[in-house]
Amino acid sequence: DVVMTQSPLSLPVTLGQPASISCRSSQSLVYSDGNTYLNWFQQRPGQSPRRLIYQVSNRDSGVPDRFSGSGSGTDFTLKISRVEAEDVGIYYCMQGTHWPPWTFGQGTKVEIK
Amino acid sequence: QVQLVESGGGVVQPGRSLRLSCEASGFTFSSYGMHWVRQAPGKGLEWVAVIWYDGSNKLYADSVKGRFTISRDTSKNTVYLQMNSLRDDDTAVYYCARAYRADIAMVPDYWGQGTLVTVSS
Repeated sequence: DVVMTQSPLSLPVTLGQPASISCRSSQSLVYSDGNTYLNWFQQRPGQSPRRLIYQVSNRDSGVPDRFSGSGSGTDFTLKISRVEAEDVGIYYCMQGTHWPPWTFGQGTKVEIK
Repeated sequence: QVQLVESGGGVVQPGRSLRLSCEASGFTFSSYGMHWVRQAPGKGLEWVAVIWYDGSNKLYADSVKGRFTISRDTSKNTVYLQMNSLRDDDTAVYYCARAYRADIAMVPDYWGQGTLVTVSS
């Protein structure tokens, strides 16, 4: 199984400041079709997960452009350009290249300082 | 709008069974595969099972293989998770989530609100 490792696990940030979350996979996430199926999910307190980013860098509909994804191979990053109060929650990366199983990172808790 | 509504959760004794349901609306159910993903209290996300859009393929996590069965009823726009031989470590919120059939990665793009299953004597 592909192991997804996120860092940091806790990320206190100041409102209006940037934030960055790293996600590393135990093997390359490049699929045979050339695409990389790395996704990011946000889970606000008391809510279900919401997909933010698919295939490394594509934002889902309605996702603010302050969220961006980047990376390749085994190293990926989710960036929030200017953190807002509504961004508090836990962020998970998830791989969809080597399934089953679909595997998630441990989650990174973003909170306001 | 897209809606996924889970039901069937509750408190159950170890070794007993429970069936979860997830009713879909607001999209063409027959065009989407459906996942079950769970989250133990205070823990992260764990994929449990998936069924293809046409029911032709079903896959399970090793932790539930042989105990859980996923199925779907297109006439009712509903996906089910039959959970047998429940264990304490099956305690979690269970989410259903859809994945578009043309997505080779079958990544869940929309999730329900979840239903809590508590396994306890």
